[in-house]
Amino acid sequence: EVQLVQSGAEVKKPEESLRISCKGSGYSFSSYWISWVRQMPGKGLEWMGMIDPSDSYTKYSPSFQGHVTISADKSIDTAYVQWSSLKASDTAKYYCARHEIVSSHFDSWGQGTLVTVSS
Amino acid sequence: DIQMTQSPSTLSASVGDRVTITCRASQNIVTWLAWYQQKPGKAPKVLIYKASGLESGVPSRFTGSGSGTEFTLTISSLQPDDFATYYCQQYNTSPYTFGQGTKLEIK
Repeated sequence: EVQLVQSGAEVKKPEESLRISCKGSGYSFSSYWISWVRQMPGKGLEWMGMIDPSDSYTKYSPSFQGHVTISADKSIDTAYVQWSSLKASDTAKYYCARHEIVSSHFDSWGQGTLVTVSS
Repeated sequence: DIQMTQSPSTLSASVGDRVTITCRASQNIVTWLAWYQQKPGKAPKVLIYKASGLESGVPSRFTGSGSGTEFTLTISSLQPDDFATYYCQQYNTSPYTFGQGTKLEIK
């Protein structure tokens, strides 16, 4: 069974750093791209960017470029998104999702990681 | 960026109804469009890919159609489990943008 299991909820203060994770199982992790999607409270879905775990090639949405870093460690089948300096506006639920090729639908999703940033 | 516009934003319907949700793209995306269903507190789930392909395990009452800039998702006979929020997404061109969502409510 294909699974993407994300790390647990986080509560952070503004300007703190954070890295959340997404571990794939049940499939060849390096054969699928991983995208990250943000959902702010009560709002819709926003695509942040994606990574090819086979070579760590990344592509970002202009809206998120420079504010987050997406990475992957194919040796442990895990992708990450990290922030070096959180803002209150980063409060959201973050999902990872896999897709077979760079332009493909997202056929499996993680359960989401809720990030709360508050002083 | 390609803008995706869904209508309506909210739809009230009853069990057994046939409903249609529309998604318009700001430029031609051929058929590189997916539809997702999301229930409160849960991750989205793909229903339709490449505009009209039914994802494995998804009931046949869900139908997608369209190409270019206009797409529709039709649910032929609403079931209680179908009341949720639906999103379209284009994956023709990065950034892969979503529609704003359509909340399907029980009338």
